[in-house]
Amino acid sequence: DAKTTQPPSMDCAEGRAANLPCNHSTISGNEYVYWYRQIHSQGPQYIIHGLKNNETNEMASLIITEDRKSSTLILPHATLRDTAVYYCIVKDHPMYSGGGADGLTFGKGTHLIIQP
Amino acid sequence: EAQVTQNPRYLITVTGKKLTVTCSQNMNHEYMSWYRQDPGLGLRQIYYSMNVEVTDKGDVPEGYKVSRKEKRNFPLILESPSPNQTSLYFCASRGLFQAFFGQGTRLTVV
Repeated sequence: DAKTTQPPSMDCAEGRAANLPCNHSTISGNEYVYWYRQIHSQGPQYIIHGLKNNETNEMASLIITEDRKSSTLILPHATLRDTAVYYCIVKDHPMYSGGGADGLTFGKGTHLIIQP
Repeated sequence: EAQVTQNPRYLITVTGKKLTVTCSQNMNHEYMSWYRQDPGLGLRQIYYSMNVEVTDKGDVPEGYKVSRKEKRNFPLILESPSPNQTSLYFCASRGLFQAFFGQGTRLTVV
């Protein structure tokens, strides 16, 4: 799996858009970009994933650069409840991985703090 | 509602006393796994299961056992717990793209 690089921490004002960057310069063609978050000691929560097109769901938007070497997770109107550690994970789809060990590899993530 | 349920949420035990942490999912997922989370080390996979009766080691399997006798349940067994297994444990169940995690079990071994 490709490695990812994220800033260790970020601040954002409540009500503003939070833009979390992730670098994954060694991503390969069949690897997806996944975002999860973990709110203090709770189980990680899936946010969104994408392959090469930009994606949007009820929680967030995912912008992937054309060369796929980086991406940005956007929380459009951050609230205090969005304070969490956000993990960017690059991984191929299980159908390509041959069914072997394909657990998610969580790095250190970005600690996003929403300020009131 | 899609759910992964772990029990217990908190457990304090003594060294050497066998314990089981249960995990159950209601999504009919084939793939389930266990993680532990420690300060500074992040989340690490202990064991995973691709389907009933199919289990394999993750990154940190020493001191743990699992079983998968039915699709919905994937218990984590510590036959002889030691203090270095004090940790926060998460069970996960994965669908096509999305993994669902339980709320965690905070285990302290004294």
